[in-house]
Order: sequence, then C-alpha cells, then structure tokens
Amino acid sequence: SQQGEEDPQALSIQEGENATMNCSYKTSINNLQWYRQNSGRGLVHLILIRSNEREKHSGRLRVTLDTSKKSSSLLITASRAADTASYFCATDSSGSARQLTFGSGTQLTVLP
Amino acid sequence: DGGITQSPKYLFRKEGQNVTLSCEQNLNHDAMYWYRQDPGQGLRLIYYSQIVNDFQKGDIAEGYSVSREKKESFPLTVTSAQKNPTAFYLCASNMGQGHQPQHFGDGTRLSIL
Repeated sequence: SQQGEEDPQALSIQEGENATMNCSYKTSINNLQWYRQNSGRGLVHLILIRSNEREKHSGRLRVTLDTSKKSSSLLITASRAADTASYFCATDSSGSARQLTFGSGTQLTVLP
Repeated sequence: DGGITQSPKYLFRKEGQNVTLSCEQNLNHDAMYWYRQDPGQGLRLIYYSQIVNDFQKGDIAEGYSVSREKKESFPLTVTSAQKNPTAFYLCASNMGQGHQPQHFGDGTRLSIL
C-alpha cells in the first residue's frame, strides 16, 4: 500500500523559479526521506528529515515536516533544467530495514 | 567506485519462462531490497534481506523468489507464476536501518515477448 502521496503529480516551471512538492502520509513515522529519479534510472537519496525535526536544508533543497498534518514539502529554489526528474517521498514507519514506503511521485519539468 | 550494479538493463520473458535479474553491491551493506515500479507509480517492495541466508517477503512477493547466498549479491527470479511481470525492477541496499538512505542500482526493464 502507498503510504506517501505526492502532490502535484506533475509540475512544469521555468528555469530560475522555485518548485514546491508536497507529500502526505497516513501513519506515524520515524523519518521521511526524499528521493530523485531521472528517467530510466535508479533513485538517488536527497534528504532525510526525522520526526522531531521541522525543517532541514541541503544546498538548494528545503524540506519541511508537519507531523500534526502528516505532511512534508520539498522546495527546490532557483531551479535548473538539470532538476527535471521525478521526486518521491518515502516514509520509515518502524525504524527497521523493512519499512520504507514510497509515494507515487511528482514529475518535475524545468523549462530552459 | 562503490555502488550497485544491476544486469541486464533490458530483459524479455517468454510465456512460462523464469528469468533472473542480477543485483551486486560493493558497498559492504548488510541489507538489500527489490522493488517493482510500474509506469507513473511509486516503488513497491517485493523482497528484502537483512543478512546473508535470510530474506523476507515484501508487499508483492507472489510470483517472485530470491536468494542471499553472499553479502554482495541478491538475485531476483521472476517466475512463470507472475502473470504481469512487465515493469521496471530496482535493487537497493543500505546498512539495514530505516533511518539510513537506500542506494539504488539503475534498474532492469522486463518485458513480455
């Protein structure tokens, strides 16, 4: 079953603009992770935010987590054409190796 | 360079045939995972292994089998019992804790002939 659901399913912006993607989930979590997938490739880990954190930054990425609303957002600032990819949230509900559950992703297109 | 290697990149299966997808990692990771990705969808867990000679079913294990005879290798067999095998298959690994990022291979695309 899908724990995380991303919104929007697809997003198209101009280079230089900011891109915001949202993720909602259903059960309590230990942490939430964001991954990126270029077309036809594997996923690449971007950032992890723990359940006791509210905001985290990494370069042009900013992630927020609201556990009361069971939601997270990923902001990419000053987007580039190379940011074009699918972005997935993944939730860890148990802390064990098994429980990393992925959402259905947001397809981001950055137009040059 | 350390990483995960999946092979082949493309694979075709005939009716009634079993096929095996290879996954090898040189990251010294304890845990390995197999996911299935359908078009426009997220990843669904097929099987995972936290240690050599041990593995557990994920959400969609029916029609698949795995083995973990070596720490570096976690092959996935798609059996003839899997009636809808066309998908993109991804292998991943990490040290085995949920707070650790998973490292992914570049996938195998399986199609039916």
